[in-house]
Amino acid sequence: EVQLLESGGGLAQRGGSLRLSCAASGFTFNSFAMSWVRQAPGKGLEWVSSIRGSDASTYYADSVKGRFTISRDKSRNTLYMQMNSLRAEDTAVYYCAKVVVVTTMEDAFDVWGQGTMVTVSS
Amino acid sequence: SSELTQDPAVSVALGQTVRITCQGDSLRNYYASWYQQKPGQAPVLVIYGKNNRPSGIPDRFSGSSSGNTASLTITGSQAEDEADYYCNSRDSSGDRWVFGGGTKLTVL
Repeated sequence: EVQLLESGGGLAQRGGSLRLSCAASGFTFNSFAMSWVRQAPGKGLEWVSSIRGSDASTYYADSVKGRFTISRDKSRNTLYMQMNSLRAEDTAVYYCAKVVVVTTMEDAFDVWGQGTMVTVSS
Repeated sequence: SSELTQDPAVSVALGQTVRITCQGDSLRNYYASWYQQKPGQAPVLVIYGKNNRPSGIPDRFSGSSSGNTASLTITGSQAEDEADYYCNSRDSSGDRWVFGGGTKLTVL
């Protein structure tokens, strides 16, 4: 069974740091791009960051660029998100998601974790 | 533009057909994917690409696209389809993704 299990969420102070982890199982982790998507309380989904499986190229939303760093440990089948300089507006449930690519025009987040809550206190 | 626009709320009578739409410039170059999210749960992929359904998604869910508009159609809506639905695609640069604001579907 394909599974993603996030951890590392919690309460952080404004300007502080947290590191999220996402343990993957049930698929060849190295072969797929992975992403982080967040959802602020009562709000919609927001793509945060992605990392390719092939060459580990990374991509970020403007809202987190320069503050968040996505990475992956292929030996541990684990995805990470290092979050620095946290702001109140980073408060959200953070989901990790596996990317399925059909063609260069067709891809999607086909497997999601259960999410981990990050609260930034001001 | 990197935005995807959805109607905030749509309602449908039980057993009827409903179409949820998503508009954005990036949809001229990339297919949308659609996600169903129920309260307190993680999103679930229901449609992606031209019209692909993941395993376990009922065939009453289908997708289509024309120009800058993607649509999710539920044919014969069921009570359990009541949820928030989000569209998603790559943005115009191709290096990032963008979500629509979501549509709350009410089944009457």
